[in-house]
Amino acid sequence: GQQLNQSPQSMFIQEGEDVSMNCTSSSIFNTWLWYKQEPGEGPVLLIALYKAGELTSNGRLTAQFGITRKDSFLNISASIPSDVGIYFCAGHRTGFQKLVFGTGTRLLVSP
Amino acid sequence: DGGITQSPKYLFRKEGQNVTLSCEQNLNHDAMYWYRQDPGQGLRLIYYSQIVNDFQKGDIAEGYSVSREKKESFPLTVTSAQKNPTAFYLCASSQVEGGPWSEQYFGPGTRLTVT
Repeated sequence: GQQLNQSPQSMFIQEGEDVSMNCTSSSIFNTWLWYKQEPGEGPVLLIALYKAGELTSNGRLTAQFGITRKDSFLNISASIPSDVGIYFCAGHRTGFQKLVFGTGTRLLVSP
Repeated sequence: DGGITQSPKYLFRKEGQNVTLSCEQNLNHDAMYWYRQDPGQGLRLIYYSQIVNDFQKGDIAEGYSVSREKKESFPLTVTSAQKNPTAFYLCASSQVEGGPWSEQYFGPGTRLTVT
């Protein structure tokens, strides 16, 4: 099955720094979702995007639906230690009854 | 509180035994899904069901079986035919009518170890 390309694979940053990650595909998607997963737990939905160019925030998190509809971006501002986890993107393509998931970006934050 | 529960959290089985993982949701969602997660990989879809008494194979259905007798419940059986059953299994659910069905909400997962 198809998977989305996420980058970077991992990031190690200092508390207070801003973080950017992205998710790309060769296919057009009509929905982009961003999830966070902590060790041993299920993913938690952070942000959902439905229109090309859409910019949506959830606290310190901001995500954008790329204009080409083939990519999406997630930014975290002023990172804190509890931001640690794996961030997954997921996309839905018209006509397909399932989501496609990225391989994840592992974020580590140093106090 | 509405949510998805999976039990047990950890499950150990001997090779050759079938094992059933439980998934229950009280979100009144029509659709339910089972995923498998292996280290360093994205989630892979095993089975999904959009309505009671109906389900479809996902990308890696071989060696697994499901049932959907009730809206709230979608148990997954890992059979002895599954060659590499040790993994983290995640159940999810979503709306179908009246909302964006693609927003899936996940349970806490069951870690299955087969030796």
